[in-house]
Amino acid sequence: SQQGEEDPQALSIQEGENATMNCSYKTSINNLQWYRQNSGRGLVHLILIRSNEREKHSGRLRVTLDTSKKSSSLLITASRAADTASYFCAADTSGTYKYIFGTGTRLKVLA
Amino acid sequence: GAVVSQHPSWVICKSGTSVKIECRSLDFQATTMFWYRQFPKQSLMLMATSNEGSKATYEQGVEKDKFLINHASLTLSTLTVTSAHPEDSSFYICSARGQDGIEAFFGQGTRLTVV
Repeated sequence: SQQGEEDPQALSIQEGENATMNCSYKTSINNLQWYRQNSGRGLVHLILIRSNEREKHSGRLRVTLDTSKKSSSLLITASRAADTASYFCAADTSGTYKYIFGTGTRLKVLA
Repeated sequence: GAVVSQHPSWVICKSGTSVKIECRSLDFQATTMFWYRQFPKQSLMLMATSNEGSKATYEQGVEKDKFLINHASLTLSTLTVTSAHPEDSSFYICSARGQDGIEAFFGQGTRLTVV
């Protein structure tokens, strides 16, 4: 399967703690994106990181990319109950613009 | 970012009927569109890639006669689920990429329930 792997599959933390999710992919990429999906809803774009970038920040989000290891991580700092959702990475395989999604991490932030 | 709109956002249909889902790029010309399917509590799986004016390319295991894709214009692609069955119930999402774009933009998804 081309699908990327994410870990952990599920993560439960207390409000205020940090949450880290990891994503690994199998092929060379142009860029990688992270998305959030609330239960039964569509995708919300969080951040895009290009293959020549190593780290990117957006508010409480920090994304890293290690192309040598074919992996990326998403860090959510000072988590809130509203961050409860599933998080997916999606890798844009080189030259195709086809996004291959990871298996997802279900994050639960307890108030 | 660019806007991609899907319609309908949800649909319930009877087994054996066909359902059409539309994906529109509202403020850019989408030379390539992608269709994904998501089963409950699972990730999104790419079904097919369509380029304007040409036949869609389907991923392995996806039945092209069951999932008809038409990309007749630079702003519209349609996915028709033919002779739908309960196992086709799923969340379908499209994404669209412009000619000069480095990323694809996603629609809000369509939840299909076949009863």
